[in-house]
Amino acid sequence: GAVVSQHPSWVICKSGTSVKIECRSLDFQATTMFWYRQFPKQSLMLMATSNEGSKATYEQGVEKDKFLINHASLTLSTLTVTSAHPEDSSFYICSARDHSGGWNEQFFGPGTRLTVL
Amino acid sequence: AQSVAQPEDQVNVAEGNPLTVKCTYSVSGNPYLFWYVQYPNRGLQFLLKYITGDNLVKGSYGFEAEFNKSQTSFHLKKPSALVSDSALYFCASVRAGNNRKLIWGLGTSLAVNP
Repeated sequence: GAVVSQHPSWVICKSGTSVKIECRSLDFQATTMFWYRQFPKQSLMLMATSNEGSKATYEQGVEKDKFLINHASLTLSTLTVTSAHPEDSSFYICSARDHSGGWNEQFFGPGTRLTVL
Repeated sequence: AQSVAQPEDQVNVAEGNPLTVKCTYSVSGNPYLFWYVQYPNRGLQFLLKYITGDNLVKGSYGFEAEFNKSQTSFHLKKPSALVSDSALYFCASVRAGNNRKLIWGLGTSLAVNP
């Protein structure tokens, strides 16, 4: 089955530093990847839609300069949290949709727990 | 506004008993509906989907869901619950339009007691 990996699975950083999270589709090509954040015991909040080779589309209220998304290939999208602050601490989840274009479910990565001190 | 509702924050059921996790939707056009499960500190796993066809959809781990257009519902069911089914369950629907972004319910925490 389709597998999506995320790296790292958890990260602790100091306030003001930048953190990069990778999302990879391991056995399929993903023209579209989605980035979500999830607060404890809450639902997923879509942050942005990442399309290979083009700029990401950010949801309302998400700062594009703070959450940099790059989707440089059909198997890799990265989310960089720039100048992280404690309020950015969250569980970040990516998902990927395969290249076929038909309606297929999104395949989710295992998530990255970010803690900003 | 289009939305997905999961009216129960938590569902408790005894092991071996049938379980139901409720979901209703308000989506224009013909909805695509999904159920996902999330175990602690993990990403989401796909359980099943309704796109078209039979209203009763069978999915992973013995789960099934019934699409009911008149009641705009897509409740998740399993005939006999297992302790290992304890997790957070999310219902989702695709938003009308071409972007195919999912609309998420708030999730229901299922606790199966031994």
